[in-house]
Amino acid sequence: KAGVTQTPRYLIKTRGQQVTLSCSPISGHRSVSWYQQTPGQGLQFLFEYFSETQRNKGNFPGRFSGRQFSNSRSEMNVSTLELGDSALYLCASSLVSVDGEEGYTFGSGTRLTVV
Amino acid sequence: AQRVTQPEKLLSVFKGAPVELKCNYSYSGSPELFWYVQYSRQRLQLLLRHISRESIKGFTADLNKGETSFHLKKPFAQEEDSAMYYCALITGGGNKLTFGTGTQLKVEL
Repeated sequence: KAGVTQTPRYLIKTRGQQVTLSCSPISGHRSVSWYQQTPGQGLQFLFEYFSETQRNKGNFPGRFSGRQFSNSRSEMNVSTLELGDSALYLCASSLVSVDGEEGYTFGSGTRLTVV
Repeated sequence: AQRVTQPEKLLSVFKGAPVELKCNYSYSGSPELFWYVQYSRQRLQLLLRHISRESIKGFTADLNKGETSFHLKKPFAQEEDSAMYYCALITGGGNKLTFGTGTQLKVEL
């Protein structure tokens, strides 16, 4: 089966711009979560969507937002980019619950560089 | 506060030696813990869950509520075990996982 697909793989943006990242989960997976990965902070939870509703939110400013479509695809948006937003953004999907047999299935990530 | 601590950034062992990757957690509820692994140039993937009590690739992990620990162990390290290992805890309703900072395991010949 196809894995979790994230696009684009790499992105370079300027401070103050906004960016939209996309994630296509495994077919049939209804839960999509986003994580920010940096060398200093590690993996930090951004938010989770389930059946088009945000179910959980991490401790990130309102500049970070997301949404999920009826086909479970998800997008996250970061507005007014700051240098500190440079990171690998990972998307993960699961069938329903992350404590199921397969847990999360992660994508390869989108590497965002803010200059 | 809900927190997962992996005290070692890097753990280097020789092939055939026992491995123990440490994980301690802080959580007020009933913990559900996991180990995820990332091999070189591969995606992060689930290694094992504490609720399944299974051994995967020779690795086991026992939840010790008294010591709030979930250490990952393997009796004999193999070269292919070299990877980044993350301990994670469900910290909210739904699928919110809190990850530790990870331990890089290097198995030397």
